[in-house]
Amino acid sequence: GAVVSQHPSRVICKSGTSVKIECRSLDFQATTMFWYRQFPKQSLMLMATSNEGSKATYEQGVEKDKFLINHASLTLSTLTVTSAHPEDSSFYICSAWDFNTGGQFFGPGTRLTVL
Amino acid sequence: AQSVSQHNHHVILSEAASLELGCNYSYGGTVNLFWYVQYPGQHLQLLLKYFSGDPLVKGIKGFEAEFIKSKFSFNLRKPSVQWSDTAEYFCAVNEDSSASKIIFGSGTRLSIRP
Repeated sequence: GAVVSQHPSRVICKSGTSVKIECRSLDFQATTMFWYRQFPKQSLMLMATSNEGSKATYEQGVEKDKFLINHASLTLSTLTVTSAHPEDSSFYICSAWDFNTGGQFFGPGTRLTVL
Repeated sequence: AQSVSQHNHHVILSEAASLELGCNYSYGGTVNLFWYVQYPGQHLQLLLKYFSGDPLVKGIKGFEAEFIKSKFSFNLRKPSVQWSDTAEYFCAVNEDSSASKIIFGSGTRLSIRP
């Protein structure tokens, strides 16, 4: 089955630094990937839609300059949290759309802790 | 805009009890519907999905869901729960088009007493 990986699985950083999270589709090509964040005991909130070779589409209220998304290849999308602050601490989850099966597959998530 | 409502925030059942988790969505067009499960400390897994056809959908681990278009509902059911079903359950919807974003409900935490 389709597999999506995320790296790193956990990251702890100091306030003010930037953190890059990778999302890879391992056995299929994904022209579209999605980035979600999940606060403890809450649901997944869509942050942005990442399209290969074009600019990401951000949901209302999500700062595009803070959450930089790059989808440079058909198997990799990256989310960079710039100048991270403690309120950015969350669980970040990506999903990738598999055109062949018509399904979306989720990565295992990345837990970001900003001190 | 699409939205998904899960009215049960936390459900507590004993083993062998029957389960029904409610899910209603708001969208005027054709949608695909999903139920995902997140076990403690693990990532999301797809339980079942409805794209078209038979409105009664069977998924993994004995779960099923019924799409009732007139009620905009997609309730999840299981006739007899097990302790291992303790998890967070998310109903989700996306537009019936390729690569459209999935919108999640707020989730229902299911606790099963052994």
